[in-house]
Amino acid sequence: KAGVTQTPRYLIKTRGQQVTLSCSPISGHRSVSWYQQTPGQGLQFLFEYFSETQRNKGNFPGRFSGRQFSNSRSEMNVSTLELGDSALYLCASSLRGGAWSTEAFFGQGTRLTVV
Amino acid sequence: AQTVTQSQPEMSVQEAETVTLSCTYDTSESDYYLFWYKQPPSRQMILVIRQEAYKQQNATENRFSVNFQKAAKSFSLKISDSQLGDAAMYFCAYCYGQNFVFGPGTRLSVLP
Repeated sequence: KAGVTQTPRYLIKTRGQQVTLSCSPISGHRSVSWYQQTPGQGLQFLFEYFSETQRNKGNFPGRFSGRQFSNSRSEMNVSTLELGDSALYLCASSLRGGAWSTEAFFGQGTRLTVV
Repeated sequence: AQTVTQSQPEMSVQEAETVTLSCTYDTSESDYYLFWYKQPPSRQMILVIRQEAYKQQNATENRFSVNFQKAAKSFSLKISDSQLGDAAMYFCAYCYGQNFVFGPGTRLSVLP
């Protein structure tokens, strides 16, 4: 079966702009989680969506938002980009998420560079 | 709050040899999951092995095995017969509730 698909793979934006990243989970998976990976902070949890509802949120400013559609595809939006937002953004899907999840399948990520 | 610590930022191993990557975590929960993920240069996170905390038996997956010490909150990964393709960043992760907590990672180099 197809894996987790993230688009685009690479993105260059300028400060102050906004960006939208997309994640298509594995067919049948209803949970999508987003992570930010930077050399300095490592992997940090952004938020999780399940059945179109945000179920959990990490410690990120309100400039980071997301949504999930009825087909479980998820988008993440970052507004008013800052240089520090440059990172690899990873999406993970799982069947039910949460404590029921025995594993999460990750996409290849979107490399965002803010200049 | 749960935390995951990987005390070895970098490790190297000779091809065909064995290497152990360490991981400790902090939690007050008794039932949770632990994982080792591999992130090669392609960036995709690949699940290597997982362990349910309620299981006393250590998980194994081909050349990969773990040493799970629940009381000590330790979860090390042993890679036997190391191969060049094992070179990657390895992340230890803890899962309880609705999200994962990752360690900072260990960069493993495999020397020919």
